Amino acid sequence: EAQVTQNPRYLITVTGKKLTVTCSQNMNHEYMSWYRQDPGLGLRQIYYSMNVEVTDKGDVPEGYKVSRKEKRNFPLILESPSPNQTSLYFCASSWGPLDENIQYFGAGTRLSVL
Amino acid sequence: AQSVSQHNHHVILSEAASLELGCNYSYGGTVNLFWYVQYPGQHLQLLLKYFSGDPLVKGIKGFEAEFIKSKFSFNLRKPSVQWSDTAEYFCAVNARYSSASKIIFGSGTRLSIRP
Repeated sequence: EAQVTQNPRYLITVTGKKLTVTCSQNMNHEYMSWYRQDPGLGLRQIYYSMNVEVTDKGDVPEGYKVSRKEKRNFPLILESPSPNQTSLYFCASSWGPLDENIQYFGAGTRLSVL
Repeated sequence: AQSVSQHNHHVILSEAASLELGCNYSYGGTVNLFWYVQYPGQHLQLLLKYFSGDPLVKGIKGFEAEFIKSKFSFNLRKPSVQWSDTAEYFCAVNARYSSASKIIFGSGTRLSIRP
């Protein structure tokens, strides 16, 4: 079954404790993105990747890192989480550029930073 | 800068009522337009999209949307809603040829259907 898998689905952590949210897709998609969803703000793009070893900042990259060492994986790293990063995070992937393709979303990771 | 506005934050309707959710965007060039739906506790799913061609787009579950270029709008419609349409709806815009991997989402409209 074609899918985008995020782990964990729920995470509670404390300020400053490094964490990684994993994202994996089994569709051989080239493009992958991370979004955060906050009430009243919709989804905002954090980072995106156009292919292995090619990443770029989205609209709200501060406090986040990503890597794309393999095509299927696109982990989101919070080196020193802060309470303002409490949010719902979604990973998404697509075959190619968004001007030609649609995105497929993961189930989301709800993160609370205390 | 591109932006997407969804005017209604929360819409409450009775079953069988007609639905129209507004979406306006700001960008002067060619765009791709999307409506996504997020059912309670689930991830976003594509409802419909417009890339080119007929500006009246039909999606899944009886939804449709009309792209009106002169009004920079892409409103979502459904003639008769059901309780199962309770969800949050997001309009999104991708500025074609500008930044292929950037997509701007609206703030969402929560739709509640009374049985």
